[in-house]
Amino acid sequence: EPEVTQTPSHQVTQMGQEVILRCVPISNHLYFYWYRQILGQKVEFLVSFYNNEISEKSEIFDDQFSVERPDGSNFTLKIRSTKLEDSAMYFCASSEGQGEGYEQYFGPGTRLTVT
Amino acid sequence: AQSVTQLDSHVSVSEGTPVLLRCNYSSSYSPSLFWYVQHPNKGLQLLLKYTSAATLVKGINGFEAEFKKSETSFHLTKPSAHMSDAAEYFCVGGGATNKLIFGTGTLLAVQP
Repeated sequence: EPEVTQTPSHQVTQMGQEVILRCVPISNHLYFYWYRQILGQKVEFLVSFYNNEISEKSEIFDDQFSVERPDGSNFTLKIRSTKLEDSAMYFCASSEGQGEGYEQYFGPGTRLTVT
Repeated sequence: AQSVTQLDSHVSVSEGTPVLLRCNYSSSYSPSLFWYVQHPNKGLQLLLKYTSAATLVKGINGFEAEFKKSETSFHLTKPSAHMSDAAEYFCVGGGATNKLIFGTGTLLAVQP
């Protein structure tokens, strides 16, 4: 069964450094998402992406975040200058379509630790 | 605004006994509702989804959930727990866009 993959599984970085989290969505999916879960808190929506554009973003997704689909398979989340509070599990997801009936398929997550 | 509330952060059951994980939702429109499960070191897996076609929804691994508009609830049930059901379960709401709204999660422990 096709699945969403994410690399790395765990990333440790120093405050102020840039990180890129990588995701390979399911190949025929058109919609892509990032969510995050700070330890002990809810999973939160960050951004959705369709047709090479951000279609929706949350208030968390400020100027230090960016997303990109650099080629036909990868979908990346970049954090320009990491802060301690960016430490979280980051989940990538993809879906075939939008709206009722379309399931989002999630990857296993990347645990980001900012020191 | 839409929100989902999971009423229990931890639930512990014995193997072979019923499972009930509670979820209430708040929405100004007819919601899409989902239950996802997360096993340790694994991604979020969809158990089942409600999308207005039927109020009783059957999912994978023997789970089901009933949408009750009068109670604004979408509780997850299973008649008989198995050890492999031990995981964290998320009640999730969706709406007109694809943005999913997650509950806080319920950690299910299954005792032998």
